Parts: sequence; C-alpha cells; structure tokens
Amino acid sequence: EVQLVESGGGLVQPGGSLRLSCAASGFTFSSYEMNWVRQAPGKGLEWVSYIGSGGRAIYYADSVKGRFTISRDNAKNSLYLQMNSLRAEDTAVYYCAREVTTIDFDYWGQGTLVTVSS
Amino acid sequence: QSALTQPPSASGSPGQSVTISCTGTSSDVGGYNYVSWYQQHPGKVPKLMIYQVSKRPSGVPDRFSGSKSGNTASLTVSGLQAEDEADYYCSSYVGGNVYVFGTGTKVTVL
Repeated sequence: EVQLVESGGGLVQPGGSLRLSCAASGFTFSSYEMNWVRQAPGKGLEWVSYIGSGGRAIYYADSVKGRFTISRDNAKNSLYLQMNSLRAEDTAVYYCAREVTTIDFDYWGQGTLVTVSS
Repeated sequence: QSALTQPPSASGSPGQSVTISCTGTSSDVGGYNYVSWYQQHPGKVPKLMIYQVSKRPSGVPDRFSGSKSGNTASLTVSGLQAEDEADYYCSSYVGGNVYVFGTGTKVTVL
C-alpha cells in the first residue's frame, strides 16, 4: 500500500525556519517525481515545489522561491522541504504528493500544519 | 503563476449535471494538454479525478468527464450524487515542471 507521511510542522515565529519531511513507503520512491502542495486554512490548493526522481530537476512557485528548498534522499525513501524566512502567509497544511505523470498527483499524504505567528 | 479562475460555487439536483470551468491563459491551460481535476471533501486529501484534460484514473466513475477549449478547461459531473458534494480544483502545467491550481469550486448537491 502506498503511504506518504509528513512530519515536522508546528508553530514558528515570522522569519524562522522549519524542515518538513515526507516518509514514503509501498512503492519504489526513487522512480517517482515528487511535489509539495499547501493549503492555507479555509483556502484553496497552492503548488509549492517539484523535484525529479533523481533529485536534480527542481522547481518552485514564485511565492517561495529563494526561501524554500526541496530535496530528497532516495536511500531513505524521504522527501524534504526546508523552509526559511517564514511569513504569516506561509501558514498552511503542507502535503507531499506523488506525481504519476506530468502534473498528476495520484497519492497524497495527510498533511502537516505549519503555523507562522508571533 | 496566477491561479486559474474557477467559479466559487456550482450546484445541481441529484441526477442533474453540473459543469465547472477553469480559465487560464495560452501559457498554461491553452498551451498544454496537461490539465487535471481534483476532488476534495471537507477534512480530506485531494483525489485525482481527471488527468491530461479528459482521462479518468482507474476507479473514477464515468460520470466525471473533462474537456478543453482554448484557454478554458471544464469538468462535467453527470448524474449528480450526494457524494459528489465537494470542492473541485483544476490544475495546469505551466512549463518546466511548474504547476498552478485553480481557485476552487464548491459543488453543492441540492
């Protein structure tokens, strides 16, 4: 069974940092592109970042470029999102999602809540 | 990377059809046949319903169909059922593995 489990969310002050993790199981993690998608409370979905299966191709939404860094460790079946210079508008549930074909996310984790507030 | 435009709400009675639009530009929806649709029930994770404009993943009822004309994609739910009441989001490829979601549409079954 495919499983994606996020962790690392929590309360952080504006300007602070947080590192999210996504543990994958039930499939060959190294064969799949992965993404982070977020959803602010009561709001819509926002694509955050993409990483290729080998970890070399990386893309970001303009809203997080220069502040967030996506990475993966295929040996550990894990995806990461390092978030720096956090702002109140980064408050959201962050989901990791498996990309089965271009832009098609077939499995999602349950999400981890990040709250940026003083 | 501006969000694609969807109507905030749509509704229909059981058995009827409802169509949701997703309007972008020639740089996203109009430029590629990579438009997907997701269903999200309250408190749940999104579920892929349509991919590559009009294809259905295994297990998705054929009541769900997708299409595209120019810069606007559409999702039609035929034979509405109570369990179809949810939020629906479109998404599009923008180029270089950059993606954008729509603003979301709340579908109500009357």
